Amino acid sequence: NAGVTQTPKFRILKIGQSMTLQCTQDMNHNYMYWYRQDPGMGLKLIYYSVGAGITDKGEVPNGYNVSRSTTEDFPLRLELAAPSQTSVYFCASSPYTQGIQEQFFGPGTRLTVL
Amino acid sequence: GNSVTQMEGPVTLSEEAFLTINCTYTATGYPSLFWYVQYPGEGLQLLLKATKADDKGSNKGFEATYRKETTSFHLEKGSVQVSDSAVYFCALSPFGTNAGKSTFGDGTTLTVKP
Repeated sequence: NAGVTQTPKFRILKIGQSMTLQCTQDMNHNYMYWYRQDPGMGLKLIYYSVGAGITDKGEVPNGYNVSRSTTEDFPLRLELAAPSQTSVYFCASSPYTQGIQEQFFGPGTRLTVL
Repeated sequence: GNSVTQMEGPVTLSEEAFLTINCTYTATGYPSLFWYVQYPGEGLQLLLKATKADDKGSNKGFEATYRKETTSFHLEKGSVQVSDSAVYFCALSPFGTNAGKSTFGDGTTLTVKP
């Protein structure tokens, strides 16, 4: 099993550009998440999904969009990149068995907006 | 809303020293509690967890006990090694319909010197 994979690993964007961060998991997990991690800080939840077709906002959703058309994929879209979106982005997934038992994280995407 | 407060770092210890990293939380109901570890350039990985009051999570010599009365989940290890150098995150996941809305602390950087 590959687990949670994210692409790209690194990306530099200009202000106002758009991009999609890809996330795929092969563990058949129903829950998936997107977090951002700013330097020296913890993870902030951007969006999460409890299953295909169902998404919900987290703590910091502004400037981002998500979709979940399949169980495996959970892409994150930045429409108009801003310097404040410079961060490391982590995708994660988890099964749900009487609560969340463990989240499995991808390796991250380091995004710089100049 | 929910919150997690971790002991500020960085923490520097000599090999074989005793480690404590404090974590307190604010949440309604009975969340699940977690400690994750992040090594340089990687995503987070689960270290240990506890899902109900008085549960003790343990793994690789690390321990933490879910204390409902003090809303705490402090991480301890009796004798740290250089290989334990990493960033440690305390996290909670609510039980029930908001289980996806996980909250992470800001992380504590541990450096262990030989």
